[in-house]
Amino acid sequence: QKEVEQDPGPLSVPEGAIVSLNCTYSNSAFQYFMWYRQYSRKGPELLMYTYSSGNKEDGRFTAQVDKSSKYISLFIRDSQPSDSATYLCAMRGQGGSEKLVFGKGTKLTVNP
Amino acid sequence: NAGVMQNPRHLVRRRGQEARLRCSPMKGHSHVYWYRQLPEEGLKFMVYLQKENIIDESGMPKERFSAEFPKEGPSILRIQQVVRGDSAAYFCASSPPNGRDGYTFGSGTRLTVV
Repeated sequence: QKEVEQDPGPLSVPEGAIVSLNCTYSNSAFQYFMWYRQYSRKGPELLMYTYSSGNKEDGRFTAQVDKSSKYISLFIRDSQPSDSATYLCAMRGQGGSEKLVFGKGTKLTVNP
Repeated sequence: NAGVMQNPRHLVRRRGQEARLRCSPMKGHSHVYWYRQLPEEGLKFMVYLQKENIIDESGMPKERFSAEFPKEGPSILRIQQVVRGDSAAYFCASSPPNGRDGYTFGSGTRLTVV
């Protein structure tokens, strides 16, 4: 079993749709959870950063963490064509500066 | 405040040559991480360094790959005697000592071995 599982998609939605992206993980030591957005041939850009379980909202983006189920989600409301990118979940343990473990990424296309 | 700077952006090497990839972390960041991304794959951890120290190299191939982060200057990822399978995007990330607020990535170096 891989440490982090993420459906690679591709996922195609119409503009304005609500998008749900998910990851599951197996390592119960993970405490910090992140979502990165990566445009084609660019570096990953940090979108959301959460600690332990709960929800965090930032504009059109909401991140959810359910540690009991080892499941994290990213919701995008009112999706825009500019949201078209690959979304990567990442997580790490409690240590001050540990390596991030990434999912494979989900490729999202928002059609105008 | 410049972000994480990587150079070169693109690097072409013939099989058997050496590749040197450079990374300057964000100002105030003392921790550097190198990741490799193959086509249609996620980011795979390679090595984590602090100034003059390798903290975790569990993701580095045993041969031909090395990394350093000297007291002065950028972090360097070196690949000796490159092979076609080394062709990938190599990303550097940096973080402050407490690791909070996620890690900031550079734009990457795309290595092509011909």
